[in-house]
Amino acid sequence: DIVMTQSPDSLAVTLGERATINCKSSQSVLYSSNNKNYLTWYQQKPGQPPKLIIYWASTRESGVPDRFSGSGSGTDFTLTISSLQAEDVAVYYCQQYYTNIPTFGQGTKLEIK
Amino acid sequence: EVQLVESGGGLIQPGGSLRLSCAASGFTFSTYEMNWVRQAPGKGLEWVSYIRNSDSTTYYADSVKGRFTISRDNAKSSLYLQMNSLRAEDTAVYYCVRAAGLSSGWSRGSFDSWGQGTLVTVSS
Repeated sequence: DIVMTQSPDSLAVTLGERATINCKSSQSVLYSSNNKNYLTWYQQKPGQPPKLIIYWASTRESGVPDRFSGSGSGTDFTLTISSLQAEDVAVYYCQQYYTNIPTFGQGTKLEIK
Repeated sequence: EVQLVESGGGLIQPGGSLRLSCAASGFTFSTYEMNWVRQAPGKGLEWVSYIRNSDSTTYYADSVKGRFTISRDNAKSSLYLQMNSLRAEDTAVYYCVRAAGLSSGWSRGSFDSWGQGTLVTVSS
């Protein structure tokens, strides 16, 4: 199975500042047939189920604020929140679906400094 | 509005069985692939199982293979997870999850709708 590793495990950022979360896969998740990276980012707030925010590594889901952006290709990916808002406090997970066995990163807890 | 409502969780002894159900509404259930994803208390997300809409092809995580069975009833817009030989490490909130539809003809490889989850506790 593909192992997903996120860094850091936790992160504290000042309101209005940039937050960056990294995700590394144990093998490439770039699908050559369509040149898409099968890498998704989710946001999970306390007591709630996860919410899809970015798919194909960099495509924002409908309704997601444009301060959220994703980048990267192959095995190394980044989720960036350009200007942290109080409502962005959550745990963020990356997930690959390159194979029939999707796997998640361990999660990154984002807090306000 | 898409709704996924899980039921069937509870306290069960090790070695026991439980059947989870998920009632779907607000979309054409028969046209979507579905999954179960679980989250142990205070832990991360673990995908459990998948079922295809068209031919009911299934996949399982190694941790549950041979013990859990996913199924669906498109006529009832329902998803199920039969869990046998339960272990303490199966204790988790189990989410019913819809796979995102195609975009420009390609799978998005994502889960776009999640239920609120049902808690399964395996303990003596």
